[in-house]
Amino acid sequence: GQNIDQPTEMTATEGAIVQINCTYQTSGFNGLFWYQQHAGEAPTFLSYNVLDGLEEKGRFSSFLSRSKGYSYLLLKELQMKDSASYLCASWKFSGGYNKLIFGAGTRLAVHP
Amino acid sequence: DTEVTQTPKHLVMGMTNKKSLKCEQHMGHRAMYWYKQKAKKPPELMFVYSYEKLSINESVPSRFSPECPNSSLLNLHLHALQPEDSALYLCASSQDNDRSTDTQYFGPGTRLTVL
Repeated sequence: GQNIDQPTEMTATEGAIVQINCTYQTSGFNGLFWYQQHAGEAPTFLSYNVLDGLEEKGRFSSFLSRSKGYSYLLLKELQMKDSASYLCASWKFSGGYNKLIFGAGTRLAVHP
Repeated sequence: DTEVTQTPKHLVMGMTNKKSLKCEQHMGHRAMYWYKQKAKKPPELMFVYSYEKLSINESVPSRFSPECPNSSLLNLHLHALQPEDSALYLCASSQDNDRSTDTQYFGPGTRLTVL
C-alpha cells in the first residue's frame, strides 16, 4: 500500500515558524507534493520534491529525505492567511495508471 | 496560466433530479480528474481521463457518470443522488498521467448539496 501520514492539527503564532511533517511508505516512491487548501476552496500547489534536500520558495520551503521516507513543509513569518489545511501527496502507480494519493491533511491555525 | 474552471460553484438538487457539473482547462493538459471531498477529509479520487479516454474508475456508483467531450472539457453527470453524496466536487488536470512528476492543478470546486 501507500500510506501517507501527517499530523491532524497544529497551531502557531503570527510571525513565527512552523514545520509540518509528512511520512510515507517508500515503495515505488515518485516524488512528493505539498498543497495548501483554505476551507471550502480548491487545493493549490505549493511544491514538489523528488530529490533529497530543501527547496525554498519565498516564505515556504519543502524538504525531502528519500531514505527516511520523510518530508516537511516549513512556513516562515507566519501570517493569518496561512491558516489552512496542508496536504502532502504522492503518486501511486496502479493498474497501468498513476493516482495521486493524499495524506489526511494538517489543519494549521495561526493566532495573533 | 494554471487555471481550471468549474461550474456551477454551488448546486442544490433533489434526489430525483438530473444535473451536470462542468470543468474546463486550456493548458493543453491530457489528463483530467474528478475528486470528491468531504469536510475535513482529503480529496478522494473518483475518475481519471487520459487522452479523452476513461482510464480509472474508483468503483464509483453509477449515479455518477463522467464524460470527456474533448481534451479541454470534463463533465460529471449526476442522477438519483443520495444526501450522503453532498460534498465538494473538485476537477483537476495535469500534463499527462504516465509521468509521476506531473503536477495536478485543481479547479475551485462545486459545492453540491443533495436534499
